[in-house]
Amino acid sequence: RKEVEQDPGPFNVPEGATVAFNCTYSNSASQSFFWYRQDCRKEPKLLMSVYSSGNEDGRFTAQLNRASQYISLLIRDSKLSDSATYLCVVSANTGNQFYFGTGTSLTVIP
Amino acid sequence: DVKVTQSSRYLVKRTGEKVFLECVQDMDHENMFWYRQDPGLGLRLIYFSYDVKMKEKGDIPEGYSVSREKKERFSLILESASTNQTSMYLCASSLRAVGELFFGEGSRLTVL
Repeated sequence: RKEVEQDPGPFNVPEGATVAFNCTYSNSASQSFFWYRQDCRKEPKLLMSVYSSGNEDGRFTAQLNRASQYISLLIRDSKLSDSATYLCVVSANTGNQFYFGTGTSLTVIP
Repeated sequence: DVKVTQSSRYLVKRTGEKVFLECVQDMDHENMFWYRQDPGLGLRLIYFSYDVKMKEKGDIPEGYSVSREKKERFSLILESASTNQTSMYLCASSLRAVGELFFGEGSRLTVL
């Protein structure tokens, strides 16, 4: 079983739509959770960390459900510039290792 | 502004050649990582280092070696490149074991 699993999509949504991505993780000892954004042929960049209480940054909301071992990312009022691949990243406190989902592709259509 | 710099953005090498990929970070981070990214497979860890001269194998170390002689520099070496090592290679660093990962721009290697 993979450490982190994501629906690869693609998600094609119209501008202004709300879209949600989920990611499940297998290691219950995982401590840190992140969403990264990766544009085509570019490096991943941190979009937001995910905290137990959930957190919001503008149009983006991230949530963590430890009991069910999943994290989610909600994007409201989608913009064309949101088109990218969104990577779920999970880390335990051991081994200095980060585990990546394969990414979810989002295309926002005019 | 924090920065991770990879020496080459694009390389084309022939089978059997030795390949060096260099990565330098200016954030005084202890942890450095080398990943490869392939379509449908996501990022896979090749090696990581949590201190100078220390290294640990990741999930796919076969065919690769690394060197960390200085804190800011982490090199990936392909002793004898093969076509199945054609990929995007990403270097990253982090301050703590579970802190934010900062990535370099990537090195796209093609082995003919």
